Amino acid sequence: AQTVTQSQPEMSVQEAETVTLSCTYDTSESDYYLFWYKQPPSRQMILVIRQEAYKQQNATENRFSVNFQKAAKSFSLKISDSQLGDAAMYFCAYRSGGSQGNLIFGKGTKLSVKP
Amino acid sequence: DAMVIQNPRYQVTQFGKPVTLSCSQTLNHNVMYWYQQKSSQAPKLLFHYYDKDFNNEADTPDNFQSRRPNTSFCFLDIRSPGLGDTAMYLCATSRVFGAGVTGELFFGEGSRLTVL
Repeated sequence: AQTVTQSQPEMSVQEAETVTLSCTYDTSESDYYLFWYKQPPSRQMILVIRQEAYKQQNATENRFSVNFQKAAKSFSLKISDSQLGDAAMYFCAYRSGGSQGNLIFGKGTKLSVKP
Repeated sequence: DAMVIQNPRYQVTQFGKPVTLSCSQTLNHNVMYWYQQKSSQAPKLLFHYYDKDFNNEADTPDNFQSRRPNTSFCFLDIRSPGLGDTAMYLCATSRVFGAGVTGELFFGEGSRLTVL
């Protein structure tokens, strides 16, 4: 069975600085997708960034980028120029490439942004 | 805007009193999911529908049931809520994997259930 591990329950970053959230996963599959979701307090879970396992190039979305190390099964999220609005719970998630692949979440990292 | 809408956003019920949570989507996605998220925990999948096909997770209690009368709507029924069912319930949708499908789930804002 696939597992997702986020080893940092909480992180803190100064506004305008850069922070990296860690995620490792375990799978024997070759076809899968990885995601980072953001869940602000009492608000909707939204997609931050996705990575297809077959792509070697790391995904980037504006201030958000990932470091995808397939052999090491590592998928970290880097947030550059952190903003107060980035404060949220961040979940790393894995999804099998099968037609009904379920989304498997890590336990999350709570990110605080200090002004 | 196309979206996933959950109602009610907040629900308080008494121990043992049945409750129904609803989810509607305008994305026309084949797959709909119900997740349970307890405080400071990761979402846990309860079940999902692939079109009309119902898929229950092995550890989902029998107390939880679901209905999907059509593509747009899905309901979560909790027949006899216990104190341990206090949680946020998240509905999500996705398209079936295929050419050009990127695989992410789209979430509603959640229904926060409190059982007293």
